[in-house]
Amino acid sequence: AQSVAQPEDQVNVAEGNPLTVKCTYSVSGNPYLFWYVQYPNRGLQFLLKYITGDNLVKGSYGFEAEFNKSQTSFHLKKPSALVSDSALYFCAVRVQAGTALIFGKGTTLSVSS
Amino acid sequence: SQTIHQWPATLVQPVGSPLSLECTVEGTSNPNLYWYRQAAGRGLQLLFYSVGIGQISSEVPQNLSASRPQDRQFILSSKKLLLSDSGFYLCAWSVKGQISEYFGPGTRLTVT
Repeated sequence: AQSVAQPEDQVNVAEGNPLTVKCTYSVSGNPYLFWYVQYPNRGLQFLLKYITGDNLVKGSYGFEAEFNKSQTSFHLKKPSALVSDSALYFCAVRVQAGTALIFGKGTTLSVSS
Repeated sequence: SQTIHQWPATLVQPVGSPLSLECTVEGTSNPNLYWYRQAAGRGLQLLFYSVGIGQISSEVPQNLSASRPQDRQFILSSKKLLLSDSGFYLCAWSVKGQISEYFGPGTRLTVT
């Protein structure tokens, strides 16, 4: 079955430190990869996507993600975390255009001051 | 630019009562539309998706139904709510042939 795994329920980092939120996937073919962020009681906001090309994708709010095909991973990163980055982060894949997104379970990021 | 609206923002309903949640998209035509449920603050589950008026696909069997009476309107309904229907309901849309999906602000449903 096709799936997305976010192995960490929660990631804790201090403000100013780099952060990584992990995502691995198990789907056939060459999927499209996404990261979304959700603040409490809000909808999902798009952060970035990988379609093809450069393995390092830059997105909103200083976030970036590294695609690794051999490891089937798409980890979200930021060089210097902010307290305002604290939120729930979802990794998602789309196998092909027109099919539904497959979401991971989400990772709560907590940035302390 | 395109926008997506959901209402109501919050809803508290007793068990056994009916439900109607509405989603509309502006600034685009013939979108793909989706309903997701998020339980306990995480874990998005796709409930329904629609590729056109009157065309609804259900991902999981459940107490809910969906309808698309107009091109940019997507409605989630139930005849009798269960406690397990509580959650955060998100509507989303995408352009046909494109891969990005955009989410609405969500509706928090509490069944008491």
